[in-house]
Amino acid sequence: SQELEQSPQSLIVQEGKNLTINCTSSKTLYGLYWYKQKYGEGLIFLMMLQKGGEEKSHEKITAKLDEKKQQSSLHITASQPSHAGIYLCGAEPPIYNQGGKLIFGQGTELSVKP
Amino acid sequence: DTGVSQDPRHKITKRGQNVTFRCDPISEHNRLYWYRQTLGQGPEFLTYFQNEAQLEKSRLLSDRFSAERPKGSFSTLEIQRTEQGDSAMYLCASSLKSQGSGYTFGSGTRLTVV
Repeated sequence: SQELEQSPQSLIVQEGKNLTINCTSSKTLYGLYWYKQKYGEGLIFLMMLQKGGEEKSHEKITAKLDEKKQQSSLHITASQPSHAGIYLCGAEPPIYNQGGKLIFGQGTELSVKP
Repeated sequence: DTGVSQDPRHKITKRGQNVTFRCDPISEHNRLYWYRQTLGQGPEFLTYFQNEAQLEKSRLLSDRFSAERPKGSFSTLEIQRTEQGDSAMYLCASSLKSQGSGYTFGSGTRLTVV
């Protein structure tokens, strides 16, 4: 079965600093999703990547999928307290090619110190 | 459309009692998913429906758990004879049956078994 490993598990940064979160898959990724979660709340969709080498940005957050489609990174530029939360990567297992279930990594907890 | 709605937001129950949660998906979404999330972990897949058909159940879904989506719209997740280990956030998501269409999550129901 496909597994996703996120690193680091937790991260504390000073406001204004850049940071990167990684998501590594044991198998080829066919759809990689990034979500943000505030403690005790649901998941907020950030971005979805499908093609090897693809890169997407939204405000100060950039996500990339490597050419081999087994690793993705989420980069935040000039972090702000509003970026604090849990970041989750999710992937669709390759056996499902019509919108199957998502498998998630364990999450990365980000704290931003003002 | 206001997104995916879950009810209740919080539920405290005594061990051994039955509980039922409801999820209302985005109206045009034909797929509905249930996940369970414990502290410090990513969401774990439980089951999903396409319209009213339950297409997959995880081995995590013991015989005390049952999910229904009788008319292909809202869904219910029932836990019978609750145990303390059932304490978790139960998340519902919906999507269209097409890869890359995105998964929209509700705010979750937090269950505490005392």
